Parts: sequence; C-alpha cells; structure tokens
Amino acid sequence: DGGITQSPKYLFRKEGQNVTLSCEQNLNHDAMYWYRQDPGQGLRLIYYSQIVNDFQKGDIAEGYSVSREKKESFPLTVTSAQKNPTAFYLCASSDKRGTEAFFGQGTRLTVV
Amino acid sequence: GNSVTQMEGPVTLSEEAFLTINCTYTATGYPSLFWYVQYPGEGLQLLLKATKADDKGSNKGFEATYRKETTSFHLEKGSVQVSDSAVYFCAQVSGNTGKLIFGQGTTLQVKP
Repeated sequence: DGGITQSPKYLFRKEGQNVTLSCEQNLNHDAMYWYRQDPGQGLRLIYYSQIVNDFQKGDIAEGYSVSREKKESFPLTVTSAQKNPTAFYLCASSDKRGTEAFFGQGTRLTVV
Repeated sequence: GNSVTQMEGPVTLSEEAFLTINCTYTATGYPSLFWYVQYPGEGLQLLLKATKADDKGSNKGFEATYRKETTSFHLEKGSVQVSDSAVYFCAQVSGNTGKLIFGQGTTLQVKP
C-alpha cells in the first residue's frame, strides 16, 4: 500500500542531544513537509521541500534541520538548539502544487 | 498574509445531532480548501476538499461548500455519531508552494 511512514512512533530525548525523525513515502510525491503540533494548537510548518536536494524554511525552522537526498525520504533532525522540542511531529507529502497533502501517523517526541 | 480561522471548541453534541463547524479564510485569489480529521494519537486524514468557488466537497456524510462571497468553508453533518469524535482542521493551500495553512482545530465530542 502506498503511503507515508514515520518512525519511531514515540521518541525520548535527553536535553542537549540531537535526534532524527524518519519520514519515508512511496507515493512518488515531489513535495514533502514537516509540521509541529502542540496540544490544543494547530499545525505549524517547520520545513518543506519541493524537489530533491532543495528545501525551504517554514514558520518555525529555528533549532531544526532537514535533508532531501532522495525523493522518498525527508528526515528531520531536532537539534539541541531547539529550546522546547517536546511535541507531536507530522510529516506530509503532496503531488502537484495545490493538491491535498497526505500525512504520516506522527512521531511524539518527549524530552526527559 | 493568508490565514484560516475556525470556531473554538470543544463542541459537544449528542448522537444524531446536527453539526456545524465554522471556518473562514483570508487569501489572495481562490485557494483550494480542505477539511482534515485527526483521531487521538494519529496523523491527519483528508476528509473533503473543494478546489474552486461554489464547489461542494462531501465524504462520509460530511459536507462543506466553498463560498467566495463570505470567504467561508463551513463543515456540516446532518447526524453525528460517537465515532465522529475527533479534532477537525480547516486548511488552505498557500500560493504555489503547496504549503497548507491550518486553522487551530476544533475538537468534537459526541456523546451517546
């Protein structure tokens, strides 16, 4: 089945550590996105990529980094510079611009 | 800039009641509009969409009509079920990037 796979589902990080969240899609979509969701809030865009080897900052990129070396993969690294990383992270992909996005099941990151 | 505003929740209804969740948007031009649903601990699923003015999106008994005169895309369902309990997000696509701009989400609780 085609879709988006995020892993792991739950992730715990110690303060001061970097951690990488995985996102893989087999939908042959060009565009991929990372969103952050905090309790009771909407989704905020962290980074997005419309083509391999290119990506742009979203609204809250500070403390995060991404790469897009393959069309299928768009990993997100939460660095130690991110002051409040505990959140639910959602990866999405879309085909043509202006079409709907498909979401993964999310990764819940907790700083311990 | 472009934005999406939803009615605040939570919305609590009895089973078989009529549902309306209000959504308005600000945008340059006429973006595609979407309703997504999120069940606890999961990612977002596309519920319905409309790509141009006066379009009506529908799915699983839910409907929403793209009203350019009132810049609205209200979600309706004639008879809700307990299984409809979830968080509902209204969204628009931003320009040519494919980025989704979300409302803050509305929690729906349906009681038997």
